[in-house]
Amino acid sequence: AQSVSQHNHHVILSEAASLELGCNYSYGGTVNLFWYVQYPGQHLQLLLKYFSGDPLVKGIKGFEAEFIKSKFSFNLRKPSVQWSDTAEYFCAVNGGNNRLAFGKGNQVVVIP
Amino acid sequence: KAGVTQTPRYLIKTRGQQVTLSCSPISGHRSVSWYQQTPGQGLQFLFEYFSETQRNKGNFPGRFSGRQFSNSRSEMNVSTLELGDSALYLCASSLTGPPDTQYFGPGTRLTVL
Repeated sequence: AQSVSQHNHHVILSEAASLELGCNYSYGGTVNLFWYVQYPGQHLQLLLKYFSGDPLVKGIKGFEAEFIKSKFSFNLRKPSVQWSDTAEYFCAVNGGNNRLAFGKGNQVVVIP
Repeated sequence: KAGVTQTPRYLIKTRGQQVTLSCSPISGHRSVSWYQQTPGQGLQFLFEYFSETQRNKGNFPGRFSGRQFSNSRSEMNVSTLELGDSALYLCASSLTGPPDTQYFGPGTRLTVL
């Protein structure tokens, strides 16, 4: 079964700082990878996804993630955060079956 | 298009009772997945339905069950509630199921006293 680890559950940073959230998964086969975001008071929504091809994927609101197969990682990055990026971020993996396995999330607070 | 809707939004129950939660997917979506979200465990997969068939089930006790109707609406049921069942229950719909993009509803907040 696939599992996902996210580190540094709580992250506090100032506006304009860079953000990187780590995500590691355990699954031996082909995977599809996702980052979802939950803004305060809003539904969980897709930020970006990787299925195949270029391992550097770009998502909404200036976020990007890099798939490193040898490290079983799919880290999320944003060069310069804004106050509106305050949210909870979840990494998820699908191993070709009909389910998503989520990490426990990163609570990110951006201070103006 | 209307989004995923879940009813009720909030529920308070006592231990030993049972509860039924409802999820209406986006029109045209045939897959519905259910998740339990808690602060300590994050999102944990409960089950996924497609065209009225359960295709996958997470590691939850048999007290957790679900079904899907011909119009793709889904319900989940928890019997003999325990304090630890207090959580936000999320449903997500998609056209064909994971890895297709999941569209989440607002959730049902269940509190067990």
